[in-house]
This record gives sequence, C-alpha cells and structure tokens, in this order.
Amino acid sequence: QKEVEQNSGPLSVPEGAIASLNCTYSDRGSQSFFWYRQYSGKSPELIMFIYSNGDKEDGRFTAQLNKASQYVSLLIRDSQPSDSATYLCAVTHSTSGTYKYIFGTGTRLKVLA
Amino acid sequence: NAGVTQTPKFQVLKTGQSMTLQCAQDMNHNSMYWYRQDPGMGLRLIYYSASEGTTDKGEVPNGYNVSRLNKREFSLRLESAAPSQTSVYFCASSEVGTQYFGPGTRLTVL
Repeated sequence: QKEVEQNSGPLSVPEGAIASLNCTYSDRGSQSFFWYRQYSGKSPELIMFIYSNGDKEDGRFTAQLNKASQYVSLLIRDSQPSDSATYLCAVTHSTSGTYKYIFGTGTRLKVLA
Repeated sequence: NAGVTQTPKFQVLKTGQSMTLQCAQDMNHNSMYWYRQDPGMGLRLIYYSASEGTTDKGEVPNGYNVSRLNKREFSLRLESAAPSQTSVYFCASSEVGTQYFGPGTRLTVL
C-alpha cells in the first residue's frame, strides 16, 4: 500500500464548477498536509497547507482534513482553465525538527472552457 | 530573492559518465532536499539535509551522493550514470514545514 494515494485522473470539470481532489494517507503519525500545483514541465508550487482537522479556506481554495479517516481533500471553487494542472498531495512528520515529505503521485485536473 | 536555484536545466550523459547537480537557496533555510520525479511515480526523495554538515538517505539513494557544502548549497552527484537515472531532478528547501522547489534539472542518460 502506498503511503499517500491519489487518483491519477484526469479529473475533468467544466469552467466555473467546483473541482474536488482527494488524498488518503497511511501513517497516522502524519502531522502536516500540503497541496501543491504542478504545471507541465514546471516545478511544484505550494497552494495550501493544513495541520488541524476541519476546513481551511484561501481564496477559491479550501483544504479539508479528517485525521480519523486519514483523508485530506482540496476543493477549487469557480474552476478556471488556468487551474488545469497536476495537484500533488504531500504529508509530513517531523523527526527531531526535520520534516520528511511523502508525496502522492498526483491528480491531473482538466478544466474545460 | 531568487528562492531555490538549480543548474544545469538540461543535461544529456552517456552511461558511466559522472556529473554534479547544483542547488542553492537564499531563504536561509536549514533543511534541503533532492527528489526525482518520474512519470507515474510522483516525487521520490533521494537525500535530504536537516542542517549544514548533515545528510541522510531518502527513499531512493542508490547511485547518488550528496554534499551540503554550506547552509545555502546542496549538491547531488551521480558517480556513474545509468539509463535508470533518466529523470527530472528537483531540489527543495524548507523551514518549519513549508517546502519550496527549484525549477528542476531534466537529465537524460543514454
């Protein structure tokens, strides 16, 4: 079983719709959860992070964390064609202050104009 | 403020050749990382450095060596390149959990 699992997609949504991206993780000791966006041929860029159970909103993006179910999601409201990219979920735990990141393989999102 | 920089951007090697990938950050971060990214495999950690003078193996360290030259610089060396090392390599740095990536090096080993 992979430590961080994501559906590879592609997930296709029409412009203006809500895109829902999901991620599950296996290590109950995971402390921090991140969503990165990666355009083709580019490096990952941080969208959001979340540490506590519940929702965290930042503009059109909402991250949701449920530690009991070991589940983290990213909602993108009013999806735009420019949101078309691969979204990477990452989880971390800290050992002596050093953070090790485990990445999922990513979900490819296509927003149709 | 350039963030994380990597050189070179592209490289083609023949099997058995050696090379060093360079990474530098200007954010005064303690932790630095090297990843490789292959289609369908996601980002996999090769080596990381929690602070200047320390390095540790990640998930896929075989065939690689690293040097944390100072707080700013973290290099990755391939001593004898193999076709299986064809990949995109990303360097990253972090402080208090948030990680920032360099632009990547696209390496092809023939």
